Amino acid sequence: QKEVEQDPGPLSVPEGAIVSLNCTYSNSAFQYFMWYRQYSRKGPELLMYTYSSGNKEDGRFTAQVDKSSKYISLFIRDSQPSDSATYLCAMSAGNYGQNFVFGPGTRLSVLP
Amino acid sequence: DVKVTQSSRYLVKRTGEKVFLECVQDMDHENMFWYRQDPGLGLRLIYFSYDVKMKEKGDIPEGYSVSREKKERFSLILESASTNQTSMYLCASSFPLLTTGDLANTGELFFGEGSRLTVL
Repeated sequence: QKEVEQDPGPLSVPEGAIVSLNCTYSNSAFQYFMWYRQYSRKGPELLMYTYSSGNKEDGRFTAQVDKSSKYISLFIRDSQPSDSATYLCAMSAGNYGQNFVFGPGTRLSVLP
Repeated sequence: DVKVTQSSRYLVKRTGEKVFLECVQDMDHENMFWYRQDPGLGLRLIYFSYDVKMKEKGDIPEGYSVSREKKERFSLILESASTNQTSMYLCASSFPLLTTGDLANTGELFFGEGSRLTVL
């Protein structure tokens, strides 16, 4: 079993749809959770960051963490064609090495 | 703006050749990382460095080495390239993750644009 699992997609939605992207993980020590967005032929960029459980909202984006289920989600409201990208979840236990473990990414296409 | 610059966007090499990938960051970050990105596998950590002349193996260090002689520069070396090293290589840098919770430094990774290496 991989440490972080993520549906690779591709996921295609019409403009304006609500998008739900998800990751599951197996390491209960993870407590730092990030979502990165990667446009084609570019490096990933941080989109959302959450510590421990709970929700965090930033504009059209909401990140949720459910540590009891080892499940994290990213919701995109009113999706736009500019949201078309690959979304990578990443998580860390915050211990020595401070390394983030990445999911394989979900490729999202928002169709105008 | 934070900038992480990778020396080559696209490289084509032959099996057995020595390959250097260079990465420079301008934010005085302590940590620097090399990842490779492959379809379906995501980002896998090759090596990282948390200080000058320090290096630690990541998850897939075999066939690679690194060098960090200056704080801003982190090089990835393939001593003898093989076809299974054809991949996208991403360099990243960050401040240390301060484990004091939500308000602390997040350890956000700043990535370069990637170097796509093809080994024939």
